[in-house]
Amino acid sequence: GENVEQHPSTLSVQEGDSAVIKCTYSDSASNYFPWYKQELGKGPQLIIDIRSNVGEKKDQRIAVTLNKTAKHFSLHITETQPEDSAVYFCAASSGSGTYKYIFGTGTRLKVLA
Amino acid sequence: GAVVSQHPSWVICKSGTSVKIECRSLDFQATTMFWYRQFPKQSLMLMATSNEGSKATYEQGVEKDKFLINHASLTLSTLTVTSAHPEDSSFYICSASHRANQPQHFGDGTRLSIL
Repeated sequence: GENVEQHPSTLSVQEGDSAVIKCTYSDSASNYFPWYKQELGKGPQLIIDIRSNVGEKKDQRIAVTLNKTAKHFSLHITETQPEDSAVYFCAASSGSGTYKYIFGTGTRLKVLA
Repeated sequence: GAVVSQHPSWVICKSGTSVKIECRSLDFQATTMFWYRQFPKQSLMLMATSNEGSKATYEQGVEKDKFLINHASLTLSTLTVTSAHPEDSSFYICSASHRANQPQHFGDGTRLSIL
């Protein structure tokens, strides 16, 4: 079945360093890839997304890259700050039918001050 | 924009009672709403997808008679956990999408504890 793998499961970086989280999807029909940040006790918040007709998208310190051939996409956070500490989820959507998401397993990012 | 409100945020009740959770899109019309369940330190598990005015589509393994979903308007969907038992205790999260292939915007979840 459809699957999204996410790595690493935990990531610790020093404040100011960069963080990279990678996801691989299995469904070649997937064409929309959002990233969510979830803080403790809260719902996921959309931080950036990319569609399959684009290879890279950037929003200030956050960027996402997509490699359709290899079926993987990555989240890049530069100049990390303590408030970036949270759990990050990638997702893939096939864009057909109900447009439901297949979520990755999550990455717990800890930014050390 | 794209604010989704979920209520209540936390509920504790006795085994055997039914609990209703509301999900509202505050500043947009949501043609589709989704209900998820999340266990501690785990990912989100889709339970069902609901479109306004039609029956919900449940994921495999989710009991539709146990988890009743109603999406009566473009801004409101409800999840009712019927005859709740301790194993139903979890974090339930809804999301809403304005239209097909648009981002899902999530509520802040409801923590359900069944004693």
